[in-house]
Amino acid sequence: GAVVSQHPSWVICKSGTSVKIECRSLDFQATTMFWYRQFPKQSLMLMATSNEGSKATYEQGVEKDKFLINHASLTLSTLTVTSAHPEDSSFYICSARATGLLVMNTEAFFGQGTRLTVV
Amino acid sequence: KNEVEQSPQNLTAQEGEFITINCSYSVGISALHWLQQHPGGGIVSLFMLSSGKKKHGRLIATINIQEKHSSLHITASHPRDSAVYICAVYGSGNTGKLIFGQGTTLQVKP
Repeated sequence: GAVVSQHPSWVICKSGTSVKIECRSLDFQATTMFWYRQFPKQSLMLMATSNEGSKATYEQGVEKDKFLINHASLTLSTLTVTSAHPEDSSFYICSARATGLLVMNTEAFFGQGTRLTVV
Repeated sequence: KNEVEQSPQNLTAQEGEFITINCSYSVGISALHWLQQHPGGGIVSLFMLSSGKKKHGRLIATINIQEKHSSLHITASHPRDSAVYICAVYGSGNTGKLIFGQGTTLQVKP
């Protein structure tokens, strides 16, 4: 099956610093990628939809200036957590769908996730 | 009430048992995913289906669009099947967004 690579798999950073997480589709082109956040024992929460060549669409309650998303190519989207705080500590995971005429008909593939700890 | 409901939330089985996880949804959908999340966090797509039944190895997924219900079956369960299984649906609009169930935590004991 298609592969989505997410890097890094874990990161520890100090409060106030920024952290960049990369999501790459390795063997297919992805016009759209999705970024999720997951708290322990909870389901995934969609943060934003990343669109290649245009601005990301953020879900209600997600600060776009805090979680910067860049989707510069058909195979790479990045999420930057700016001025990180301990409450940003969480598991972040991306997913990508192959480019197609009908987005609804294409399977979603997920990255391995990134566990962020802000100290 | 969540748009996607899974049952049971937790399931413990003995190795070799037949396992069924259920998913009911209240919205119109274009397709449904069954996902597997291991303790490390990574998520694997097991199936995407919009009608009928799919089988892959010991895993079988069925969906009944009229009843808005899907099931994931695991035959001859094994401890390595221990994971969280998540049902997720694509709404009928062409947004590509998934609506997730709360997940079912499965533990298979040897």
